[in-house]
Amino acid sequence: GENVEQHPSTLSVQEGDSAVIKCTYSDSASNYFPWYKQELGKRPQLIIDIRSNVGEKKDQRIAVTLNKTAKHFSLHITETQPEDSAVYFCAASIEGGSEKLVFGKGMKLTVNP
Amino acid sequence: GAGVSQTPSNKVTEKGKYVELRCDPISGHTALYWYRQSLGQGPEFLIYFQGTGAADDSGLPNDRFFAVRPEGSVSTLKIQRTERGDSAVYLCASSLTGLAGGQAEQFFGPGTRLTVL
Repeated sequence: GENVEQHPSTLSVQEGDSAVIKCTYSDSASNYFPWYKQELGKRPQLIIDIRSNVGEKKDQRIAVTLNKTAKHFSLHITETQPEDSAVYFCAASIEGGSEKLVFGKGMKLTVNP
Repeated sequence: GAGVSQTPSNKVTEKGKYVELRCDPISGHTALYWYRQSLGQGPEFLIYFQGTGAADDSGLPNDRFFAVRPEGSVSTLKIQRTERGDSAVYLCASSLTGLAGGQAEQFFGPGTRLTVL
């Protein structure tokens, strides 16, 4: 079955810096890759997603890139702010397949003011 | 409109007891998912419903776990003979159509924190 690995597990940056979170997946059939943000004690919330027919997607300060050949995808956050501090999860799924999201273990991002 | 809701928010039970966890999805969402999240881990898939039917229950850890969605809306996750290892946050999510229908975003509920003593 699908396996999603996420690196690093923690990242600390200064406000205004950029942050990059990298994930790899194992099943070449995976074609849907969402990213979720989870604040302490709160529910996961979708921040951006990408499908395998697209190589890059941007939404304001957030961008996601996908390399299907290498089976990895990355989240880029620019101009980080303290409110970006949270745990970020990548996930993979197969559209038209089992529907389940397979999540990475998460990365705790701390943005220091 | 209201988001996904789950009750109870916290449940403490003793080893061997039976528990039921409830999920109210967003109105009109046909796809419903249950996940389990342990401390420091990502959510782990348990079961997926499309309408009233369980389309994929491959994530249920064993036959002590069962879930129903009799009218295609509210879902209940049932755990028999609870064990300490069942302690986790149980998350429910719903999606308008699911991936196959093109509206893939899964909206999560706040979760039920289950503690088995």
